[in-house]
Amino acid sequence: EDQVTQSPEALRLQEGESSSLNCSYTVSGLRGLFWYRQDPGKGPEFLFTLYSAGEEKEKERLKATLTKKESFLHITAPKPEDSATYLCAVQAMSSSNTGKLIFGQGTTLQVKP
Amino acid sequence: DARVTQTPRHKVTEMGQEVTMRCQPILGHNTVFWYRQTMMQGLELLAYFRNRAPLDDSGMPKDRFSAEMPDATLATLKIQPSEPRDSAVYFCASGLVRAATSTDTQYFGPGTRLTVL
Repeated sequence: EDQVTQSPEALRLQEGESSSLNCSYTVSGLRGLFWYRQDPGKGPEFLFTLYSAGEEKEKERLKATLTKKESFLHITAPKPEDSATYLCAVQAMSSSNTGKLIFGQGTTLQVKP
Repeated sequence: DARVTQTPRHKVTEMGQEVTMRCQPILGHNTVFWYRQTMMQGLELLAYFRNRAPLDDSGMPKDRFSAEMPDATLATLKIQPSEPRDSAVYFCASGLVRAATSTDTQYFGPGTRLTVL
């Protein structure tokens, strides 16, 4: 069964304290791995798509990496405005015609000034 | 700036009442998804459509939920009758799904927060 597990569930950081969020996945053939950011009371906002092991993508203080079993979202020198829930989702090859995503439970990040 | 819109943003209703949520996908997107989000279950996929045709609604309680796309600019999710356990945030997402490419990003709307008393 295709599955996505994110850890930790919650993470508290001081401003400037770099860290990483983990997304482990089990899927019968990965088509793509997606990272979203969700602020309270809002819908998930797309951040990155990764397609193959070794791929990396960056946006401001965020960098996403992908291996054959997991993805990391590295946050460098975070600021309070980076506080949000970060969601990871995978699309299996078997879902290439549907676009269906399987979401993890998310990691809630709080960055204190 | 193209975005998915949803109405209403908030809905409070009493058990047994009908609830209709609406979604306008991004123009040009061919696939629409309905999700439900709760603290316990996270994001659950309820149903999705391709070119207005239902592809899969196996995530929905069939006896009370129904989803339709009357036209390319409107998707609806109905609950009749509503129950307290339906209280959640309902999201609509749209995407341009093309099997020949890898551009399958889903873009989410702001959600409808439903409270059933």
